[in-house]
Amino acid sequence: GAGVSQTPSNKVTEKGKYVELRCDPISGHTALYWYRQSLGQGPEFLIYFQGTGAADDSGLPNDRFFAVRPEGSVSTLKIQRTERGDSAVYLCASSSPGLGNTGELFFGEGSRLTVL
Amino acid sequence: DQQVKQNSPSLSVQEGRISILNCDYTNSMFDYFLWYKKYPAEGPTFLISISSIKDKNEDGRFTVFLNKSAKHLSLHIVPSQPGDSAVYFCAASGTSYDKVIFGPGTSLSVIP
Repeated sequence: GAGVSQTPSNKVTEKGKYVELRCDPISGHTALYWYRQSLGQGPEFLIYFQGTGAADDSGLPNDRFFAVRPEGSVSTLKIQRTERGDSAVYLCASSSPGLGNTGELFFGEGSRLTVL
Repeated sequence: DQQVKQNSPSLSVQEGRISILNCDYTNSMFDYFLWYKKYPAEGPTFLISISSIKDKNEDGRFTVFLNKSAKHLSLHIVPSQPGDSAVYFCAASGTSYDKVIFGPGTSLSVIP
């Protein structure tokens, strides 16, 4: 499809386990964002890539969270030693910065993470 | 400390009437403002945006108003339709391609 693709759509894991969430952005989009959304709240910024590099990772809550985008396309969000508080929907978005850009982010459907 | 605030968690409007969703922000460095709409089990979708050099932007039934001195913006939907029932997020950024900060959302119900 032409949209942002996120896998898995649902992930249930046990406390202390390692988790990877994948995002495949829209082809040609150079900017990629990760957000986390808990029930009843707005999306919380985690990290933003411009190309292969993290332009802003100020939203990552602690060093258990890490994200990569080695070839400037697909990105993986990695969470080590998961905790129950990590349970949320993890949203990925991409955009194409440039002249005339409305600033629109194109979101995927999210990966719902449940830590038991 | 929430930089983007939406003080009404929910709003109910009769079909055909105007819906007004409000948003306040605290960071004077924000230069670009956006509204997103979200249905359950889907990602947010972009509705409309406005840069700080404007005070109004219109797209069909949707109009966004910006009052920079008050650090306030609002989204007007006229006429409201049942399909508009969703959660609406206000968002802001420093530029059109900077990190985007979202508010907590307002759940709009349009009653037929």
